[in-house]
Amino acid sequence: GAGVSQSPSNKVTEKGKDVELRCDPISGHTALYWYRQRLGQGLEFLIYFQGNSAPDKSGLPSDRFSAERTGESVSTLTIQRTQQEDSAVYLCASSPTAAEQYFGPGTRLTVT
Amino acid sequence: DQQVKQNSPSLSVQEGRISILNCDYTNSMFDYFLWYKKYPAEGPTFLISISSIKDKNEDGRFTVFLNKSAKHLSLHIVPSQPGDSAVYFCAALALVGSNYKLTFGKGTLLTVNP
Repeated sequence: GAGVSQSPSNKVTEKGKDVELRCDPISGHTALYWYRQRLGQGLEFLIYFQGNSAPDKSGLPSDRFSAERTGESVSTLTIQRTQQEDSAVYLCASSPTAAEQYFGPGTRLTVT
Repeated sequence: DQQVKQNSPSLSVQEGRISILNCDYTNSMFDYFLWYKKYPAEGPTFLISISSIKDKNEDGRFTVFLNKSAKHLSLHIVPSQPGDSAVYFCAALALVGSNYKLTFGKGTLLTVNP
């Protein structure tokens, strides 16, 4: 079956512009996570959606970051007024249970 | 403060030998530990996990050992194969409020030489 997909795979943007990253989870997975991996760092938790519950936004690094998810489907991560330190690979994972997370291929964001 | 630590950024072993990947953690509230494998340009894939109430879990060539008193776990791959070359992430799961959260280490790059 289809896995988690993310788009775009690569995004280069100028400092100060807004970007929107998309994640299509595995059908039927109620949980969806966003992570980012900056160069030389581990995976950093950003935000977690579980069904129709209020999302856990505790990992978002600033108010320039926001994410939405409609029901149990697509999620978008938006970064406003991008900064160079936002450059990273942004990974989305969906999960039927918290212990098994299925990751997408990631979006490599480069802010110039 | 890093709660999950993989102190070896890289490891190189010969094909057929054992690969041992190590992970240390600081939070005694973690109740599940997982290993993920990541190839370049792909997302991490789940490999094997262990509950905090166990000390060993085996799946084919992969075995994870947990030493709770030392807050240490390790992944053993025997025998190692060139296709095992990848970055391996250790992750720990904890219930925070009403949500489960995974905390990842920085990863260890394993290279298996033919």
